[in-house]
Amino acid sequence: DADVTQTPRNRITKTGKRIMLECSQTKGHDRMYWYRQDPGLGLRLIYYSFDVKDINKGEISDGYSVSRQAQAKFSLSLESAIPNQTALYFCATSGPSGSTDTQYFGPGTRLTVL
Amino acid sequence: QKEVEQDPGPLSVPEGAIVSLNCTYSNSAFQYFMWYRQYSRKGPELLMYTYSSGNKEDGRFTAQVDKSSKYISLFIRDSQPSDSATYLCAMSAVAAGNKLTFGGGTRVLVKP
Repeated sequence: DADVTQTPRNRITKTGKRIMLECSQTKGHDRMYWYRQDPGLGLRLIYYSFDVKDINKGEISDGYSVSRQAQAKFSLSLESAIPNQTALYFCATSGPSGSTDTQYFGPGTRLTVL
Repeated sequence: QKEVEQDPGPLSVPEGAIVSLNCTYSNSAFQYFMWYRQYSRKGPELLMYTYSSGNKEDGRFTAQVDKSSKYISLFIRDSQPSDSATYLCAMSAVAAGNKLTFGGGTRVLVKP
């Protein structure tokens, strides 16, 4: 079984709809991240959480919100989706500070906003 | 200007050739340097991890970091068709915790 899972894997929605992407991990990591990937732009950090009570904005948080429901679960919401939020979304996890900074990625969610 | 620059490619090589990839960066605070490999429709997976300057070798893969030039490289020897993927460099500074800054990725195609 995959250590980091994301649901759904694909989603098509319309402008203005509220969308939630979910991430679960079985690696026992405290730190979780949400990224979006656009062609030629690499991965850009949306939000990150170092533990259940810690939520931080990344470089492109506008239009997104997150919820850390448990150590193993971190969800990303688009309150009112717009077409330029069409992208690949990845969840990642890592161990605590002082570890190798290695991040483990989920398989991604392909989101299309019409 | 992006903080981390990476040629998007595609880079096409014949099987058995050496693949040479590189990234340049502008933030002198970066100390941890990584290369991730991403197959089509998959999440990135860590390939190589290097701290500060120097070389690191793992099988067919060699990572080099030159902090004085703000330049990192990844070499793949004896390339195989299974090496066809997008390669992303990533880096972080201690002060940034585990926040990674990624390059845009280079698409590599190894032809049989």
